Amino acid sequence: QSVLTQPPSESGTPGQRVTISCSGSSSNIGSNTVNWYQQLPGTAPKLLIHSNNQRPSGVPDRFSGSKSGTSASLAISGLQSEDEADYYCAAWDDSLNGFVVFGGGTKLTVL
Amino acid sequence: QLQLRESGPGLVKPSETLSLTCTVTGGSISSSPYYWVWIRQSPGKGLEWIGSIRYSGNTYYKSSLKSRLTISVDTSRNQFSLKLNSVTAADTAVYYCARQYTGSSFDQWGQGTLVTVSS
Repeated sequence: QSVLTQPPSESGTPGQRVTISCSGSSSNIGSNTVNWYQQLPGTAPKLLIHSNNQRPSGVPDRFSGSKSGTSASLAISGLQSEDEADYYCAAWDDSLNGFVVFGGGTKLTVL
Repeated sequence: QLQLRESGPGLVKPSETLSLTCTVTGGSISSSPYYWVWIRQSPGKGLEWIGSIRYSGNTYYKSSLKSRLTISVDTSRNQFSLKLNSVTAADTAVYYCARQYTGSSFDQWGQGTLVTVSS
C-alpha cells in the first residue's frame, strides 16, 4: 500500500480535460513539494511536473500541477492519444530519517 | 547530454546478493547539488524508492531495506552501485538508476534493467 493515494485509473476522450489526484499527509505533501512522472508503456518514467507546478523544458503546457494542503493534482487539458500512460506523484517524507514516497500510480486511458 | 545506464546480472538466486552498477556519461557524478538514486518497479506495480547517494558518500536508505542494502559511489569511474543481499522473489523488479535533483525530483533516468530472483 502506497503512502500517497492516487486513483488506480482515469479516462477521457481526445480534447477533454482530465485531473489526477494525489493525497498524502502533513509529513510529505503537507510540508514538501510534489513531483509528477509519466511512464509510457515499456519505458522509464519521465519527470513531468516538478516543484508542485513547474514544467521541465519540453513538457507541453497542456500539463499542469497544483498543490493544496496535503493533496496535489495533475491536470491534462486537450487530451491526446499519446497521453495514455501511467502517472505517478512523489514527495519527500520527513518522518523517520526522511525518505521518498510515491503514489501507487494512475493508469490514464484515452478512449 | 547526461545518460545513465544500469548493468548487472538479470538473474539472481534466492538468498544471494543482487549487484547492479549505474554508469553516468555526459556529466560528472560529482556535480552539485545532485544525489544519485536507485528506484525499482515490481512487475505490474508502482515505483519504489530504494536509496540515494551523493558523490561524498552520504546516503539515504529506505528503512525497510536498510539491513540488506548498500549503495556506494566510485567517482573515478563515474559510477554508483547497489548491493542488496539475502534476496527473495519479492525483490524481482525492474531496477532504475536516476539523478535526484532535490527531494523527490528525479530528472534523468536510466532505461532500467530487469532482475529476476529465481533458482
